[in-house]
Amino acid sequence: AQRVTQPEKLLSVFKGAPVELKCNYSYSGSPELFWYVQYSRQRLQLLLRHISRESIKGFTADLNKGETSFHLKKPFAQEEDSAMYYCALSSSGYSTLTFGKGTMLLVSP
Amino acid sequence: DAGVIQSPRHEVTEMGQEVTLRCKPISGHNSLFWYRQTMMRGLELLIYFNNNVPIDDSGMPEDRFSAKMPNASFSTLKIQPSEPRDSAVYFCASSSWDRTNYGYTFGSGTRLTVV
Repeated sequence: AQRVTQPEKLLSVFKGAPVELKCNYSYSGSPELFWYVQYSRQRLQLLLRHISRESIKGFTADLNKGETSFHLKKPFAQEEDSAMYYCALSSSGYSTLTFGKGTMLLVSP
Repeated sequence: DAGVIQSPRHEVTEMGQEVTLRCKPISGHNSLFWYRQTMMRGLELLIYFNNNVPIDDSGMPEDRFSAKMPNASFSTLKIQPSEPRDSAVYFCASSSWDRTNYGYTFGSGTRLTVV
């Protein structure tokens, strides 16, 4: 069975500080990993996906198969980054996404 | 494209009443998903459809929950009778055939409160 674990429910940092949102997964094959973001009372939006190896809003995430992790990082947090972040896994292009329970990021001035 | 459209945005109902949530997916997307979001359990997949056919409803919590997709542009999630523990935000999402490349597009959600 596939599983996504986000160990932190809440991460609070000051503006300008580095941010790392942790995500670990459990899956025996080659997964596809995603990060979704949900700003206050808004819809979930796709932030980035590991296959595209892109940087969105200064965020990056590297898939580490040895550690089965896909941590989301940003060198300098901004107040507008405050949101709920969900890590998600798909076992193949045609399967459903399994989401972690999310981490709330709060960036204080 | 207006994106995935859900209605109503908010619903307050009394315990025991029937509740119907509606979703219009993005035109051309052939997969539709219903999720429930709560503080305790995060995002839970309730059911999903491919080409209007229910594929996996193992996440539907009880027989009180049912979902239909009569055509490619409309889906409903019904709770009958509703209970206070059903209070949550219900999201609908749609995707094209290759979810890996394109991910999901979510609606704005319906915030359900059962009193």
